[in-house]
Amino acid sequence: EADIYQTPRYLVIGTGKKITLECSQTMGHDKMYWYQQDPGMELHLIHYSYGVNSTEKGDLSSESTVSRIRTEHFPLTLESARPSHTSQYLCASSDDRPGETQYFGPGTRLLVL
Amino acid sequence: SQELEQSPQSLIVQEGKNLTINCTSSKTLYGLYWYKQKYGEGLIFLMMLQKGGEEKSHEKITAKLDEKKQQSSLHITASQPSHAGIYLCGADIPPDSGYSTLTFGKGTMLLVSP
Repeated sequence: EADIYQTPRYLVIGTGKKITLECSQTMGHDKMYWYQQDPGMELHLIHYSYGVNSTEKGDLSSESTVSRIRTEHFPLTLESARPSHTSQYLCASSDDRPGETQYFGPGTRLLVL
Repeated sequence: SQELEQSPQSLIVQEGKNLTINCTSSKTLYGLYWYKQKYGEGLIFLMMLQKGGEEKSHEKITAKLDEKKQQSSLHITASQPSHAGIYLCGADIPPDSGYSTLTFGKGTMLLVSP
């Protein structure tokens, strides 16, 4: 079973607030990912990282930012939350070999009022 | 860009019945993954297929990848209420795109009625 954790699981916050979604994995995986998923919609990659100090933007443009200071930690930050940011955010990690399976965290469901 | 089409979009079956979900790619697949997602939760990895003609089974779920590596099917035998959820296929983007990550289909919602 995969050891990847996300906190908080649910977050309701007002417009303009700064928020950080946490993601941690204990598998020593080099690669980590953030996906955004709206209800009933497909997943879209918004950020990924190949390792410490490596971050890249994904297919879907996002106003969020990420950092990778430690291998096990890949937080996502929104400087000023807006209602359009309301969504589910899923974190995943994988080993740094071609074809390695991505393991997903339980997700953070964000509601911005 | 890589596109994955899943069919059907939703499916309601009676408990005990068999069912098949399909995932079709517009390009040759580098790797094909099947995940299950309960509403509002994360994805649970089911199986990964890489070779043309490959077939894998886990409990009552069987996944196949066709010889051309452009279509995969997920078959559930004797469905149970615990099989209910959203089934997603994901594919590795071919390596010439510059980075390796997953593109997902829109999912198939499965409901199993008692």
